[in-house]
Amino acid sequence: NAGVTQTPKFQVLKTGQSMTLQCAQDMNHEYMSWYRQDPGMGLRLIHYSVGAGITDQGEVPNGYNVSRSTTEDFPLRLLSAAPSQTSVYFCASSYRPGSLGVTEAFFGQGTRLTVV
Amino acid sequence: AQKITQTQPGMFVQEKEAVTLDCTYDTSDQSYGLFWYKQPSSGEMIFLIYQGSYDEQNATEGRYSLNFQKARKSANLVISASQLGDSAMYFCAMREGIGSARQLTFGSGTQLTVLP
Repeated sequence: NAGVTQTPKFQVLKTGQSMTLQCAQDMNHEYMSWYRQDPGMGLRLIHYSVGAGITDQGEVPNGYNVSRSTTEDFPLRLLSAAPSQTSVYFCASSYRPGSLGVTEAFFGQGTRLTVV
Repeated sequence: AQKITQTQPGMFVQEKEAVTLDCTYDTSDQSYGLFWYKQPSSGEMIFLIYQGSYDEQNATEGRYSLNFQKARKSANLVISASQLGDSAMYFCAMREGIGSARQLTFGSGTQLTVLP
């Protein structure tokens, strides 16, 4: 059981380049999300999805696009990389919270992105 | 206003002693969940413990317990009998609304160092 898989683990981009961070989960989770982690700021939500075909913006969505064509995959696209997007990116997934409680999020290993 | 506040950027504890990591939260929802995650130096996010707002008893998971004080809006993590492997960054997080589409909101984290 692979859980949540992110690729690549490390990436260096030049300012203005575009790229896609991949995220796949094999747990049939409906909820998926992308966070960025910066020193002293915890994890901040970029975009999220509550099911295939449904996405929404989080706290820091500017400069990023997402789509969710399948339950398994939730790629994050950087359209024109900027140094301010240097960060560690985490993808997470969880079951849809039920009426009796909420479920924890399972995280990928993270992608360390540097924009020069 | 910060939804999750962790006021201790760094903490030290002697091996085998107990330590409390503070977390306060802000929400107007009656239904919410509180989570603690551990992030070792290798970078992965490890789920530790969960407390629901309607849970009457404090959550426990092995050496981890959550001191939940609803009126004070605090959800402190207590680690008993600290081990060297507990040295890591610890994040408190909240998901508001049972059954809602809201995603996790994280605090800025506490770096715990266990001393031999």
